[in-house]
Amino acid sequence: DGGITQSPKYLFRKEGQNVTLSCEQNLNHDAMYWYRQDPGQGLRLIYYSQIVNDFQKGDIAEGYSVSREKKESFPLTVTSAQKNPTAFYLCASRERRSTDTQYFGPGTRLTVL
Amino acid sequence: KQEVTQIPAALSVPEGENLVLNCSFTDSAIYNLQWFRQDPGKGLTSLLLIQSSQREQTSGRLNASLDKSSGRSTLYIAASQPGDSATYLCAVRGSGGSNYKLTFGKGTLLTVNP
Repeated sequence: DGGITQSPKYLFRKEGQNVTLSCEQNLNHDAMYWYRQDPGQGLRLIYYSQIVNDFQKGDIAEGYSVSREKKESFPLTVTSAQKNPTAFYLCASRERRSTDTQYFGPGTRLTVL
Repeated sequence: KQEVTQIPAALSVPEGENLVLNCSFTDSAIYNLQWFRQDPGKGLTSLLLIQSSQREQTSGRLNASLDKSSGRSTLYIAASQPGDSATYLCAVRGSGGSNYKLTFGKGTLLTVNP
């Protein structure tokens, strides 16, 4: 069953902690993305990776970090430098060869306690 | 900078009605446009993708049109059902150096009443 998985579904973080959100895809897509979604706002791009071992900052990268050591995996770390991390985080991958469709995972809801 | 606007922000209709959701974008130099559906607390599901060279795409009761020169797209839903209730998001992919990026509207919250 092909798709994008994100874990955990819910995550609680204390002030000053770093947390890592997992994103895995078995669609064989080269490009992967992380977005943040806040109530009343559109999705905003945090980081993206177009190929393994390469990634670029999006529009709101401050306080976040990523790695892309494997094609299937694109984890996002929310660091203590991110001042307002409470949000819904969505991972996506992009199919380039035919339809160029972007697919999304089910999301992780992060709450800072 | 590309900006995407969706009107209306919310829409409530009785079951069986045909309806139109609107999306406008400020920069017509796009590569494609994609419509998504999002249920509460869930990820996005792709509904339709229109390439910049196309005028419309259809899938079942859904029809999306694109007028690139005027910066507009519409999503037409025929014979609406309560199961269509969700937030509908429009996103445009830039061309050239902006091709990596989808820019999203804030969405239209659709409620279909039985």
